[in-house]
Order: sequence, then structure tokens, then C-alpha cells
Amino acid sequence: NAGVTQTPKFQVLKTGQSMTLQCAQDMNHNSMYWYRQDPGMGLRLIYYSASEGTTDKGEVPNGYNVSRLNKREFSLRLESAAPSQTSVYFCASRDWRGQGDNQPQHFGDGTRLSIL
Amino acid sequence: TQLLEQSPQFLSIQEGENLTVYCNSSSVFSSLQWYRQEPGEGPVLLVTVVTGGEVKKLKRLTFQFGDARKDSSLHITAAQPGDTGLYLCAGHTGFQKLVFGTGTRLLVSP
Repeated sequence: NAGVTQTPKFQVLKTGQSMTLQCAQDMNHNSMYWYRQDPGMGLRLIYYSASEGTTDKGEVPNGYNVSRLNKREFSLRLESAAPSQTSVYFCASRDWRGQGDNQPQHFGDGTRLSIL
Repeated sequence: TQLLEQSPQFLSIQEGENLTVYCNSSSVFSSLQWYRQEPGEGPVLLVTVVTGGEVKKLKRLTFQFGDARKDSSLHITAAQPGDTGLYLCAGHTGFQKLVFGTGTRLLVSP
């Protein structure tokens, strides 16, 4: 049981290049999330998908797009990378059971992205 | 934007010492979770506290949720090198999203 799998683990891009970060979960969770983690700022939500077929903006969505391809997969795309998007990106999934539930989020091991 | 401030940001202590990490907000949360993150990995859930004033213990770790559900603390007794990591609090807003704290990086030296 792999949990949440993110690819690639590391990537270096030049300013203006585009790329897609992939995330897949095998826990049959309905909700999926993308975060970025920067020093001293904890985890900030970029986009999330409450269920298959829906996506919503989080705290820092500018410069990113997402696709919930199916229940398992949720991808994050940078259309024109900027140095300010250098960060560690985490994907998470959760078995959301309704408003007020406290199910944990399960995280992948992250993608370390550097933009020069 | 709801903010969760953690203090201290960094803590370097010797094995056997006790420590407390604080997580504070001006907002009320329906519940609060604590995660620990090790280098190169994603955060992993330690505990969820739901009721104001609730105290939960996980071996040497004691978690408390404030009476007003705006703050929380994590106390570690007799810290060990295996406790080293980044500790993150995260508040549930009652909807789909978690708001994460700024993090406390703990280093426990032998």
C-alpha cells in the first residue's frame, strides 16, 4: 500500500518553462490537496479537490492550475514558472466524510522544485 | 485569512529536557491537529483535539486544546533524539480545508 505518490521528487526549471507535478493516491480518498512549503511559513494551500470533478482555489493559487483526472489522480501545473515558485510541493489526500469530520490528511514525500 | 502562529520557531535542546510548543490564533477552530514532519518526508498526524480544554497524551507527548478553541500546546517530557523534527499544528475551519501553523523545528541532541 503506497499511500500518496508524487512524481518527480526533484526538478530544476528555467524561468518561463512549464511543468506538471503528478500525484496519485491508492486509499480511495475523495478529497485531494496541493500545498507548498517555504521556510518559516508552514504549509500553504494552493488548490484542493473536494471530490472527483470539483476543484477550488486555496490560499495561494496564482500561477498554478490543477486537474482532478479521476478519483486517484490530482495534478498541479505551472504554466510559466517563476523564481518565486521555488518551493517544496506536497500533495495530500483525505477521506472526507462531511462537514465537521476530523479525518487526517495523508501526505506524499514532496517534490523539490527549483526555478532559476 | 486565518493564521496559526507557532512559537518558538526553533528549539535546540539536550536529551532528557522538557519543552513546550505553542500554537495560537485569533480564530476559533472546530478541531486542531498536530503533525510531525521529518526531513525528506511529508507531515504525519500525531493527534486530533476536538473539545475545548481537551488533553490528550501520546507516550511522552501531551497535547492540549485551549478552552476557547483558539490555541493549543504540545508538551514533550524527557525529549529524545527521535523527537527531532518539524512540528506543525493545523486547524480545521469546519469545511474542507486545514490551516497550517508556521511550524516549530526541534533538534534534540544526545
